[in-house]
Amino acid sequence: DVKVTQSSRYLVKRTGEKVFLECVQDMDHENMFWYRQDPGLGLRLIYFSYDVKMKEKGDIPEGYSVSREKKERFSLILESASTNQTSMYLCASNESTDTQYFGPGTRLTVL
Amino acid sequence: GESVGLHLPTLSVQEGDNSIINCAYSNSASDYFIWYKQESGKGPQFIIDIRSNMDKRQGQRVTVLLNKTVKHLSLQIAATQPGDSAVYFCAESEDNQAGTALIFGKGTTLSVSS
Repeated sequence: DVKVTQSSRYLVKRTGEKVFLECVQDMDHENMFWYRQDPGLGLRLIYFSYDVKMKEKGDIPEGYSVSREKKERFSLILESASTNQTSMYLCASNESTDTQYFGPGTRLTVL
Repeated sequence: GESVGLHLPTLSVQEGDNSIINCAYSNSASDYFIWYKQESGKGPQFIIDIRSNMDKRQGQRVTVLLNKTVKHLSLQIAATQPGDSAVYFCAESEDNQAGTALIFGKGTTLSVSS
C-alpha cells in the first residue's frame, strides 16, 4: 500500500514564526503536492513538484515556499506564519498522472 | 475558469439504502476523474477512479458513472453503512499533463443513520 506520512498531526505556532511541514512518501512517486483545506473552500493547491529540486506554483502560493531535496520528501515552509494560514494542510503524491494518495493531514493553528 | 462542483453539500440516508452523490465538471478536456472519501480528522482516501474512455466502473459496493455529454459524474454506494459517513469529493484532471494537480469539488457530506 502507498504510504504518505506527515510530520505532525497538530501544530500550534505564533504569528511571525517560521514553520516547516514535512511530507514523506514511500512509493518512489515522481510527483508530490501540498494542498490546504478550509471550510467552504475545499482543497486548494499551494505548490507541487514533479522531480527532485523542481517545483511549480499552484493556485495559492503566496506566503509559502517548498523544498524537495530528495525524491521521497517534500517540505512546505511558511516563512512568517500569519493567522490566515491557520488551516488543514494535506500532502499528496502520485506517479505520472495516476491517482494522488494523501497523507493524514496537519492541522496548523497560528495564534 | 474550470471548476468541479457537487450538486448537494449534504446528503442524509438510512442504513441499508443506496446513496447517490453527484458531481458536475466544466472542463471538457478533463479525462480522468476520481472520488475520494474523507473522514473527520483524516486525509482524503481514494475510493474509485474512471477515465473518459469509460462510462461506468464498479468497485466493492461503489459504482462511478460518467456522462461526458452533460459533464456529470456520480458515485453510487450500495447498501450504505454508518461507516460510509464522511465527506465525498470528486476530482478531475487532464491525463496528458504529467504532475498536473487535481481540481477538487467542494464536497458532499454523507450522513448515514441507523
